[in-house]
Amino acid sequence: DIQMTQSPSTLSASVGDRVTITCRASQSISSWLAWYQQEPGRAPKLLINKASSLESGVPSRFSGSGSGTEFTLTISSLQPDDFATYHCQQYKSYPYTFGQGTKLEIK
Amino acid sequence: QVQLQESGPGLVKPSETLSLTCTVSGGSFSSYYWGWIRQPPGKGLEWIGYIYYSGSTNYNPSLQSRVTISLDTSKNQFSLRLSSVTAADTAVYYCARRIPVAGIFDFWGQGTLVTVSS
Repeated sequence: DIQMTQSPSTLSASVGDRVTITCRASQSISSWLAWYQQEPGRAPKLLINKASSLESGVPSRFSGSGSGTEFTLTISSLQPDDFATYHCQQYKSYPYTFGQGTKLEIK
Repeated sequence: QVQLQESGPGLVKPSETLSLTCTVSGGSFSSYYWGWIRQPPGKGLEWIGYIYYSGSTNYNPSLQSRVTISLDTSKNQFSLRLSSVTAADTAVYYCARRIPVAGIFDFWGQGTLVTVSS
């Protein structure tokens, strides 16, 4: 199985900050990476596919980059709705695997 | 807008079979894959498996011996059965739609907590 490792596990930041979350794969997954946002008690919401393609309706302050084994999710200017948990997922090969999640907290 | 809703018992005894159903509304059932993902309390997401509208399935090898996903197209429903459950199977179970061309999930149910306990 491809292991996905996110860092940090928890990130404290303030409204207006620029933040970056990293996701590393245990082997190359090309650009077959998705990012999801999960608010407390809610289902995950797909934000980005193929490492950098924003889903329709997702604010442009979100961006994704990377390929191979290292990927980043950047939020350019945090808004109150952005404080949530973020998950990466590889879909290069079966079984699909997710990172452990990064919780973005208000500082 | 596609909507998915999980239903089933919230409490299952150890060694018994967990059974959940997902009802899909607001969109076409055909041409998509329909999957299950779970999240143990305080942990990350785990893909369980999916079924294509034609009936073909793909399961996570770690669960394959205990999992069955089935489909009822007449009711726009698909179901999960997980046998011989233990406390480690306690989780929020989500049903979700996988897009045809890639292994990503664009619509999710709200999730249902299943606790395995005697």
